[in-house]
Amino acid sequence: AQSVAQPEDQVNVAEGNPLTVKCTYSVSGNPYLFWYVQYPNRGLQFLLKYITGDNLVKGSYGFEAEFNKSQTSFHLKKPSALVSDSALYFCAVRAYSGAGSYQLTFGKGTKLSVIP
Amino acid sequence: GAVVSQHPSWVICKSGTSVKIECRSLDFQATTMFWYRQFPKQSLMLMATSNEGSKATYEQGVEKDKFLINHASLTLSTLTVTSAHPEDSSFYICSARAPGVRTEAFFGQGTRLTVV
Repeated sequence: AQSVAQPEDQVNVAEGNPLTVKCTYSVSGNPYLFWYVQYPNRGLQFLLKYITGDNLVKGSYGFEAEFNKSQTSFHLKKPSALVSDSALYFCAVRAYSGAGSYQLTFGKGTKLSVIP
Repeated sequence: GAVVSQHPSWVICKSGTSVKIECRSLDFQATTMFWYRQFPKQSLMLMATSNEGSKATYEQGVEKDKFLINHASLTLSTLTVTSAHPEDSSFYICSARAPGVRTEAFFGQGTRLTVV
């Protein structure tokens, strides 16, 4: 079984400061890792993904994430937070385990609040 | 990124009636679509996996007779909540993946269902 842990329910950061939203995962086989953002009463928007290759992945809106296999982590980062980054962030994992098996497992989400 | 359109965005219905929610992939063909339910301040709960041309695969605890899923074409999946009750009130989100092992899922904007 695969699982995702987002240990922080909420992260508060001052505008202009760097932000980190934490994620650890558990999966059999090679992980495919994703970050999504959700604004109130909206669906999820894709931010970035790690499939293979460079451990540092760059995504939309200046976000990046670092894949760390030994720590089974995939933390989301941004060098300088904006108030508009305030939203709910979900980490997700998928293991390719054969044809037709592409189920995503989500973490419980982390609410990011950027304080002006 | 690819576009997934979900309709309606919100719906209010009377207890005992049925409600249909549509999920369309606008610029790609999706052999697999997913339906999620999200409770307030919680993560996404996978309800079922919808495969074009075949029966949906439901997660444990999800009533297949209550939540009818039809995936009639490569660009359209529908979720029908039958004989809705107030406890079915929730935020329902669909997602679709383009073909390929390494592709990410794209999400609809969600449907807020309120049963009165």
